[in-house]
Amino acid sequence: DSGVTQTPKHLITATGQRVTLRCSPRSGDLSVYWYQQSLDQGLQFLIQYYNGEERAKGNILERFSAQQFPDLHSELNLSSLELGDSALYFCASSVEAGGPYVEQYFGPGTRLTVT
Amino acid sequence: ILNVEQSPQSLHVQEGDSTNFTCSFPSSNFYALHWYRWETAKSPEALFVMTLNGDEKKKGRISATLNTKEGYSYLYIKGSQPEDSATYLCASYTGRRALTFGSGTRLQVQP
Repeated sequence: DSGVTQTPKHLITATGQRVTLRCSPRSGDLSVYWYQQSLDQGLQFLIQYYNGEERAKGNILERFSAQQFPDLHSELNLSSLELGDSALYFCASSVEAGGPYVEQYFGPGTRLTVT
Repeated sequence: ILNVEQSPQSLHVQEGDSTNFTCSFPSSNFYALHWYRWETAKSPEALFVMTLNGDEKKKGRISATLNTKEGYSYLYIKGSQPEDSATYLCASYTGRRALTFGSGTRLQVQP
């Protein structure tokens, strides 16, 4: 158990809908990272927050947004959902702001199915 | 190499076999190479962070080497056990402040 929690575990929704995925980092960690794992693709980095501020941005679609709250939990909002958004969404956390040598601790993921 | 690539995609070995797989990454602007172990229905778990050319890291029966000049890393498992069955991911840290992951090598160890 990495100490990172994600809710919900599974989510099934219809195209065009909007969902919110939630992540609580390990106690003491200030950084939260979001990743998407689609079928047959590696983990794709979406976005990182450090202590409430956006720190790095990857290939995140405009329909997706995220934020980190004062209690350091983070939410990833996915809107106007398409079938291709079906994936496993991971959250990871670290103490530091990021950098080449920083280990990230992953949560169990949220499996999103768009029908 | 523009992306992080891993081979083979999957591997089936017998208990007791030693095995290895490869991670290839862009050698220019190299910062660090991470290895993760991802068991089914669990979270990816960090194995190693490697930074220097010629680096070799070891954790129990698992070891890894790094060649930053040619852009590859090998992960070795000595005497594979069924509990080693997992997907092994490598990720290169890029100058864009992010990890770029490969698609992973799925290892199945038969008892």
